[in-house]
Amino acid sequence: QSVLTQPPSASGTPGQRVTISCSGSSSNIGSNYVYWYQQLPGTAPKLLMYRNNQRPSGVPDRFSGSKSGTSASLAISGLRSEDEADYYCAAWDDSLRGWVFGGGTKLTVL
Amino acid sequence: QVQLQESGPGLVEPSQTLSLTCTVSGGSISSGSYYWSWIRQPAGKGLEWIGRIHTSGTTNFNPSLKSRVTISVDTSKNQFSLKLSSVTAADTAVYYCAGDRYGDNTVDDYWGQGTLVTVSS
Repeated sequence: QSVLTQPPSASGTPGQRVTISCSGSSSNIGSNYVYWYQQLPGTAPKLLMYRNNQRPSGVPDRFSGSKSGTSASLAISGLRSEDEADYYCAAWDDSLRGWVFGGGTKLTVL
Repeated sequence: QVQLQESGPGLVEPSQTLSLTCTVSGGSISSGSYYWSWIRQPAGKGLEWIGRIHTSGTTNFNPSLKSRVTISVDTSKNQFSLKLSSVTAADTAVYYCAGDRYGDNTVDDYWGQGTLVTVSS
């Protein structure tokens, strides 16, 4: 049981816009930044979004992040086949004094 | 470009101690304000944060693992390490080492490729 809650799966067709949600509590998302990671099959996770909505260098602007209260979301516009991956949200938890992850969302491009 | 590489036994017997090392290349492990972390992922499951050590020496651990985890840095070898004691089959996973630091508008985030550790007799 993950501290942050994500839908286990999401899907879309090429060109579509999809969003992935991440729900937490006041001790994590509610009081700290949210981070998003993309994990392509058989590879290590890659930082996709930091501080809620900041993209690391090299991440396309098709990816965007937002946060409201104790929830956050990752949006992918202009969906492409290479976006098919697992996506994880993460946040620091003040009560646990550690990082917590969501259970991950498997994105399928139909 | 900083690169990380995990190394260590791929098979550990139950009740023994799992020991992994992460070698940092392309930069000094003691320079900058980096957090050096360990994260694991059981097959087909999600990510679990194990703990981290800052370049200042400060450590933080997952409360569920804290009693069994040690993370340390060897600056002479540009490495940091993980020790997880009293392992069981539930500790079988791919273990990743990672390093990150954040500036006002910048981020450096690096991950190793991961190493599979199986706990079995």
